[in-house]
Amino acid sequence: AQKVTQAQTEISVVEKEDVTLDCVYETRDTTYYLFWYKQPPSGELVFLIRRNSFDEQNEISGRYSWNFQKSTSSFNFTITASQVVDSAVYFCALKGNAGNMLTFGGGTRLMVKP
Amino acid sequence: DAGITQSPRHKVTETGTPVTLRCHQTENHRYMYWYRQDPGHGLRLIHYSYGVKDTDKGEVSDGYSVSRSKTEDFLLTLESATSSQTSVYFCAISETLTSGTGGNTIYFGEGSWLTVV
Repeated sequence: AQKVTQAQTEISVVEKEDVTLDCVYETRDTTYYLFWYKQPPSGELVFLIRRNSFDEQNEISGRYSWNFQKSTSSFNFTITASQVVDSAVYFCALKGNAGNMLTFGGGTRLMVKP
Repeated sequence: DAGITQSPRHKVTETGTPVTLRCHQTENHRYMYWYRQDPGHGLRLIHYSYGVKDTDKGEVSDGYSVSRSKTEDFLLTLESATSSQTSVYFCAISETLTSGTGGNTIYFGEGSWLTVV
């Protein structure tokens, strides 16, 4: 069985602070895919990134960066210099090699205060 | 943006009544999914489809049925709605699975808010 754990249910920061959202996963598959989605207050789910298990290179996209560590089964997401528009619920998700379905974590609500 | 349309977007219904949610895609993607979102649970898979008339159960399928008679439409039916089915329902699609990979990205619709009173 697959499992994704986002231990932080809510995080509150002040604008311009850096913040890291944690994601820990469990899977027996040797090949798998990890995702992050953003859900702003308007409710839609916005795809942010997909990472393959065989590629541990970290990725940076503007103020966003992702740290994938197989040794600790973690795929953490860092926002640098946070902004109020970053306020949202962020979901980490896992897709194994078999099938084509996502298993989601419970989400982390990020509140960025001005 | 992925071409996914969910209808209705908002619905209030009474306990015991049947409800059908529709998901329509314009991307000709093979895979379609129905998830529900509840506080503390993230998104949980209800049913999914891997082709016309090909469907399978997800994690929380009890009380739900689905149908896919055309590539572009995936229907979710609550035969007799209960208050525990009050939730936000998301349809999702993903690209045709390429042999040997499996790393397709899954895109979501805007959600359907269902309240069962």
